[in-house]
Order: sequence, then structure tokens, then C-alpha cells
Amino acid sequence: SQQGEEDPQALSIQEGENATMNCSYKTSINNLQWYRQNSGRGLVHLILIRSNEREKHSGRLRVTLDTSKKSSSLLITASRAADTASYFCATDGKGSQGNLIFGKGTKLSVKP
Amino acid sequence: EAQVTQNPRYLITVTGKKLTVTCSQNMNHEYMSWYRQDPGLGLRQIYYSMNVEVTDKGDVPEGYKVSRKEKRNFPLILESPSPNQTSLYFCASSQALPGGSGELFFGEGSRLTVL
Repeated sequence: SQQGEEDPQALSIQEGENATMNCSYKTSINNLQWYRQNSGRGLVHLILIRSNEREKHSGRLRVTLDTSKKSSSLLITASRAADTASYFCATDGKGSQGNLIFGKGTKLSVKP
Repeated sequence: EAQVTQNPRYLITVTGKKLTVTCSQNMNHEYMSWYRQDPGLGLRQIYYSMNVEVTDKGDVPEGYKVSRKEKRNFPLILESPSPNQTSLYFCASSQALPGGSGELFFGEGSRLTVL
């Protein structure tokens, strides 16, 4: 069953702008992760945030988690053309024995 | 170099001809998983394994088999492929963490076409 759902499905911005993607999920989680996928390639892990954390930073990435709303957001600041990719959230439901379920992704296009 | 290796990367086959997609990881990870990716449907989990000889169904297990005889290998078997199994397949592995899943490492994908 699909756990995380990203929003928007597609996002187009200019280089230098910030990009915000959202993820909503349905059940309680142990942690939430964000991944990036360049077209047709394997996914690459970006950041993991645990259910007891509210915000996490990694370089130009900022992730927030609101467990009361069952939602997370990924912010990419000062975007670059090289950030063009699809971004997925993945959740690890409590009681799921560490099984990660992915959403359908947000396709980000950064125009130079 | 830490990696997950899938083979073959590309395969065209015909309906009913059994095939195996191999997956091997060199990171001593307990957890391994197979996903398929289809346009508009995102990544859907086929099977996963928490450790040697322990496998469980994901969301779309029909038509697939897996085995985990060794920690490093997790092959995906299509006993009688059908055209609706045409897809991009990914194998992934991670260290199991006490509080949940760790970072998943993905292979480069295997693009399968069933005619």
C-alpha cells in the first residue's frame, strides 16, 4: 500500500529559486527519508529524519517533519540546474519491521 | 567501493521464458528489497528480506519469487514472465537499524521488456 504521497507531482523553477516539495503519509512512522533519482538511474539517499525530530539540515537541503499532521517537506535552497531530478519520500511504518514504502515522487525541473 | 550490483541491466525476453535478475551487495547489509518502477505509479515493493532465509511479500509480489540463501545475494525470479511485468526493476539494501530502516543503497536498475 502506498504510504507517502508527494506534492506537487511536478515543479518547474528558475535557477537560484527555492524548491519546496511536500510528503503526506497515513500511519505512524519510525522515520521518513528523502531520495533523489536522476532520469532512469538508481535512487540516491538524501536525508533521514526520525519521528522524534522536527527539522534537519544537510547542505542546501532542509527537511521538516510534523507527525501531528503526518507530513514532511523538503526544501532545496538556491537551486541549480543539476538539481533537476525526481524526489521521493519513503516512510518506515511502526510495526512494519523496517520496511520502506515510497511515494510517487515530485519531478523537479530547474531551468538555467 | 560500496555498491549494489544488478544484472542484467537490460533484457528483452518473451512471454513464459523464465528469467532471473541477480542482485549482489558488498556492504554486509541485512536488509534487501526489490522494487519495480512504472510511469505514474512510482516505486512499488515486490519482495523484501530482513536477513538470510527471511523473505516477505511487498505490495506487488504476484508473478515473482525471491530467495536469500546468502547475505550478499537476493535474486529476483520471474518463473513465467508476462508483458505486464515489463518495467524498470531496482534492488536495494540497507543496514537494519534498531529504530527502523536505515539508508537504502540502490542498484542502477534493470530494464526488462517482456514481448
